[in-house]
Amino acid sequence: EIVLTQSPDFQSVTPKEKVTITCRASQSIGSNLHWYQQKPDQSPKLLIKYASQSISGVPSRFSGSGSGTDFTLTINSLEAEDAAAYYCHQSSSLPFTFGPGTQVDIK
Amino acid sequence: EVQLVESGGGLVQPGGSLRLSCAASGFTFSSYAMHWVRQAPGKGLEYVSAITSNGVSTYYANSVKGRFTISRDNSKNTLYLQMGSLRAEDMAVYYCARGNFDIFTGYYYWGQGTLVTVSS
Repeated sequence: EIVLTQSPDFQSVTPKEKVTITCRASQSIGSNLHWYQQKPDQSPKLLIKYASQSISGVPSRFSGSGSGTDFTLTINSLEAEDAAAYYCHQSSSLPFTFGPGTQVDIK
Repeated sequence: EVQLVESGGGLVQPGGSLRLSCAASGFTFSSYAMHWVRQAPGKGLEYVSAITSNGVSTYYANSVKGRFTISRDNSKNTLYLQMGSLRAEDMAVYYCARGNFDIFTGYYYWGQGTLVTVSS
């Protein structure tokens, strides 16, 4: 089973600041890595697919990069509405797995 | 508009069984693989199971293999998760999700979730 680790676990950020979340896979997964945002009491929302592909309707301040084992989600110019938990997810190898999540709070 | 509506959650005793359903609409259900993902209270997301569009192939997380069965009825546009030998650690909100046509995708659409509580 592929293990995904995320860092940091928690980040408190000022609006307009840049946020970087990393996800590392225990073995190479190519670009089969997706990012989700989950706000309290809501279902997860797909932000980025296949490491760097944008999703229609998602603000352009969200971007992804990486391949193989190291991936990054970047939020440029954080807005208050971006306070949420962020998860990475690999669909390269069964069983699929999620990272433990990164909580982003607004200062 | 794509809609996924889960039902069937509730309180069940340890060792008991429960069947979850996910009613799909707004897309050609029989063309898409479907998935179950769960989230224990205050915890992160956990992949549970996946099924191909024709229902022929199924896949499970190690934690539920042998106890849970995923299935679908394409004539009813409904996905199922039969859960057996339930344990306290199975207590979670269960989401159904849809990605792209095959199973090796991100999940574009999610239901609102149904809560399963395992307690005596």
